[in-house]
Amino acid sequence: KNEVEQSPQNLTAQEGEFITINCSYSVGISALHWLQQHPGGGIVSLFMLSSGKKKHGRLIATINIQEKHSSLHITASHPRDSAVYICAVGGGADGLTFGKGTHLIIQP
Amino acid sequence: DTGVSQDPRHKITKRGQNVTFRCDPISEHNRLYWYRQTLGQGPEFLTYFQNEAQLEKSRLLSDRFSAERPKGSFSTLEIQRTEQGDSAMYLCASSLQTEGGYTFGSGTRLTVV
Repeated sequence: KNEVEQSPQNLTAQEGEFITINCSYSVGISALHWLQQHPGGGIVSLFMLSSGKKKHGRLIATINIQEKHSSLHITASHPRDSAVYICAVGGGADGLTFGKGTHLIIQP
Repeated sequence: DTGVSQDPRHKITKRGQNVTFRCDPISEHNRLYWYRQTLGQGPEFLTYFQNEAQLEKSRLLSDRFSAERPKGSFSTLEIQRTEQGDSAMYLCASSLQTEGGYTFGSGTRLTVV
């Protein structure tokens, strides 16, 4: 079973700061997902990565398959970025294995 | 298509009662997953359907839990003889096998009193 570790668990930053959230996993994978969860439950898929780097607006996700590590970056952070960010690996018949999430608060 | 729909959004039930949740996936998605999320934790895998076939069940899915996906469309998750420990957010997600990306529903929050 894959173990997924995220850091930090909690992060409070000022508006405009560059944010980095890290994810490491124990077993080789075919894809890694970054998800965003707002209070109330709704989960939004941000990225699915199998190699390299992806960018969408102010969000950048990178993955290093050899090191079993991924990072999610937020540039020019804004209070509306406040949410829980979850890293998940796997899929298919075993479903996704999720990290516990990083609770991000961006203060104005 | 408005994404993955789950019904109800909230359910409060007395211990010992049975509850049933429904998930309507994106219509062309052939894979459907159920997850459970307790407060402060990441979601945990419960079960997986490919079309109408239930291909995998987690050990978390005790004999009080049953899931169906008739005709490979919507799915239902039933919990019999609910316990307080069943209180959680139940999330449904769907995906298309050839693409791999997931779309999540907003979840059903169950409170057992």
